[in-house]
Amino acid sequence: EAQVTQNPRYLITVTGKKLTVTCSQNMNHEYMSWYRQDPGLGLRQIYYSMNVEVTDKGDVPEGYKVSRKEKRNFPLILESPSPNQTSLYFCASSTRGGSPYGYTFGSGTRLTVV
Amino acid sequence: ILNVEQSPQSLHVQEGDSTNFTCSFPSSNFYALHWYRWETAKSPEALFVMTLNGDEKKKGRISATLNTKEGYSYLYIKGSQPEDSATYLCAPASVVSDKVIFGPGTSLSVIP
Repeated sequence: EAQVTQNPRYLITVTGKKLTVTCSQNMNHEYMSWYRQDPGLGLRQIYYSMNVEVTDKGDVPEGYKVSRKEKRNFPLILESPSPNQTSLYFCASSTRGGSPYGYTFGSGTRLTVV
Repeated sequence: ILNVEQSPQSLHVQEGDSTNFTCSFPSSNFYALHWYRWETAKSPEALFVMTLNGDEKKKGRISATLNTKEGYSYLYIKGSQPEDSATYLCAPASVVSDKVIFGPGTSLSVIP
């Protein structure tokens, strides 16, 4: 089944403790992206990747890092999480950024930083 | 930055009513327009992707039209059902950035 797999689904952590949210897709998509969703603010892009070893900042990249060493994986790293990073996170992939085929989203990760 | 507006912000309709909402975006540098359906506690799911002016797509009771010259798209739902309750996101793509920008969404509640 074609899908984007995100883990974990839920995570509670403490301020400053490094964490990684994993994202993997099995559709051989070139484009992958991370979003955060906060009440009243819609989906905001954190980072995206056009292909392996190519990453770029989205609209709200501060406090996050990503890597794209393999085509299928695009982990989101929070080196020193803070409470303002409490949010619902989604990973998405597509054949290309402006794809005519739509984006496939992961099931989301609800992160709470205390 | 592509400025995307959706209206109304939220909508409550009775079961069986037909409804429509609007997505507005700058018409210059336009490439494609995506519509997504996002149910509570789930992830967004692609409904349509349109690229041509005058394009019309249909999926069951849901259809969408696109006007690239004036920069808007309409989403129509005929005979709304409770299972249509969701947030509907539009996302135009720019040839400059080659990625989509998500609008704020229209939240639809269908009352049985």
